[in-house]
Amino acid sequence: EAQVTQNPRYLITVTGKKLTVTCSQNMNHEYMSWYRQDPGLGLRQIYYSMNVEVTDKGDVPEGYKVSRKEKRNFPLILESPSPNQTSLYFCASSLGTGGFYEQFFGPGTRLTVL
Amino acid sequence: AQTVTQSQPEMSVQEAETVTLSCTYDTSESDYYLFWYKQPPSRQMILVIRQEAYKQQNATENRFSVNFQKAAKSFSLKISDSQLGDAAMYFCAYRAAGTASKLTFGTGTRLQVTL
Repeated sequence: EAQVTQNPRYLITVTGKKLTVTCSQNMNHEYMSWYRQDPGLGLRQIYYSMNVEVTDKGDVPEGYKVSRKEKRNFPLILESPSPNQTSLYFCASSLGTGGFYEQFFGPGTRLTVL
Repeated sequence: AQTVTQSQPEMSVQEAETVTLSCTYDTSESDYYLFWYKQPPSRQMILVIRQEAYKQQNATENRFSVNFQKAAKSFSLKISDSQLGDAAMYFCAYRAAGTASKLTFGTGTRLQVTL
């Protein structure tokens, strides 16, 4: 089944404890992206990747890191999480990098930073 | 920068009735795509309908249709014969046609469906 998977689905952590949220797609998609969803703000892009080893900042990159060492994986790293990073996170992927290509979303990761 | 505005935080519709969700956007691009996503309580983001800006004909997917007014930069979603399963958060989104373009989302409209 073609899909985007994220792990974990739920995570409660404490301030300053490094964490990684994994994202994997099995559709051989070039473009991958991370979004965070906050009430009243919709979804905002954190980082995106156009291909292996090609990543760039989105609208809200502060406090996050990403890497794209393999085409299928695009992990999101929070090196020192803070309470303002409590949010719902989505990974998405698309076959190509232009607007023509539909983005497929993962199931979301609910992160709480205490 | 592109912006997407959804001015209705919440809407309510009776089952079997029709409801229209509003969306306006701002862009200087001439070629772009517009989307409506549905987010049910499961939180999964589901693409409902897509409109290509260079196509004048409004997109339709079963009970879902759009009213795309390019000059007014308006992109509303009409849901006909509303069903209980339509209850969800609906997001309007914009994506330019060029490479490396991101999805820009509105703040969402929560739709309730009542009996």
